[in-house]
Amino acid sequence: GQQVMQIPQYQHVQEGEDFTTYCNSSTTLSNIQWYKQRPGGHPVFLIQLVKSGEVKKQKRLTFQFGEAKKNSSLHITATQTTDVGTYFCAGYADYKLSFGAGTTVTVRA
Amino acid sequence: EPEVTQTPSHQVTQMGQEVILRCVPISNHLYFYWYRQILGQKVEFLVSFYNNEISEKSEIFDDQFSVERPDGSNFTLKIRSTKLEDSAMYFCASSEAAGVIYNSPLHFGNGTRLTVT
Repeated sequence: GQQVMQIPQYQHVQEGEDFTTYCNSSTTLSNIQWYKQRPGGHPVFLIQLVKSGEVKKQKRLTFQFGEAKKNSSLHITATQTTDVGTYFCAGYADYKLSFGAGTTVTVRA
Repeated sequence: EPEVTQTPSHQVTQMGQEVILRCVPISNHLYFYWYRQILGQKVEFLVSFYNNEISEKSEIFDDQFSVERPDGSNFTLKIRSTKLEDSAMYFCASSEAAGVIYNSPLHFGNGTRLTVT
């Protein structure tokens, strides 16, 4: 079945630094979504990418969908303490949205 | 902004007992889901529901699990005979649309933490 892998599992970032989390699917995806889960909270939708090679930006967050529609990345610039949480990618294929294991981000002030 | 609501927020039950987790999806949404998250782990798909029937289910969703939309607003997940390994946070979610290529974002509820003792 479809598997979505995400790395790294943990990311410890100095405030102000940049980092990237990567997502890879075992199958070609129809689209990919990104969610953020704050500690103790529920996943909250951030963005959806549909087209091959698509790049979308939300302030300091840049999302990219690979040309083959099997991988994606989230790049955060100038990390702030408000970026703390777990970022999940979720790949959509065969009417099912499958979540990666998430990247848990902690920020050192 | 409309929300998905889940009750109860925390459910403690003994092994072998039946539990029903309740959800009220966003009113104009047509697709409903249950996911679970074991503490510190990934969000795992259980089941999706559309037009009063299951559209997809995972290997986790075995005969012990069932879903129901008993009226126009509630969406429930029943676990017939709970096991210790069923302890997890159970999230209900809903979306406006889901097709072959495109599905609307999922709106998640705050979850029900199920503890099986």
